Amino acid sequence: AQSVTQPDIHITVSEGASLELRCNYSYGATPYLFWYVQSPGQGLQLLLKYFSGDTLVQGIKGFEAEFKRSQSSFNLRKPSVHWSDAAEYFCAVGAENYGQNFVFGPGTRLSVLP
Amino acid sequence: DVKVTQSSRYLVKRTGEKVFLECVQDMDHENMFWYRQDPGLGLRLIYFSYDVKMKEKGDIPEGYSVSREKKERFSLILESASTNQTSMYLCASSADRGTDTQYFGPGTRLTVL
Repeated sequence: AQSVTQPDIHITVSEGASLELRCNYSYGATPYLFWYVQSPGQGLQLLLKYFSGDTLVQGIKGFEAEFKRSQSSFNLRKPSVHWSDAAEYFCAVGAENYGQNFVFGPGTRLSVLP
Repeated sequence: DVKVTQSSRYLVKRTGEKVFLECVQDMDHENMFWYRQDPGLGLRLIYFSYDVKMKEKGDIPEGYSVSREKKERFSLILESASTNQTSMYLCASSADRGTDTQYFGPGTRLTVL
């Protein structure tokens, strides 16, 4: 079965600074990778996903992520953070093998300083 | 636009009460999921359903049951609520259980006193 780690529990950045949130996965085959964002008191919203093809994936709200098979990583980036980006971010790994479900990482909480 | 709704945003119950959490999706999805979210633990799968009247246990099914009588509706039942079931509960649906985007409801924050 697959697994996901997000090494950073909490990250604080200044508004306008660049951002990178780390995600590492463990899975034997080609993974289906997702990043979700959860604003306070809300459900999860999909930011972007990777299934195959170009390893740099563009998402909503100016986010992008890069799949690196050699490092088993799928890090999320944004060149310039806005105060409204303060939220919790979850990386998730899906699997096409029958009988397997999504596995979510523990999440990274992002705080943005004015 | 895709829509997953949950019956309550906030719920307060007493120990031993029977609790029903309802989830409805309008996307005609086969798969529906109930997760529990606790700080530092991410989302943990309680149960999921891949068709009407079909269900499978997730990672933490103890103390919970589910019901899916109609395709669009998936209910989570706490037979006898306990304080350690105080949590945020999230419902999701998807076209494919392992590979497709899951669409989430807003969540129900349950407090058991």
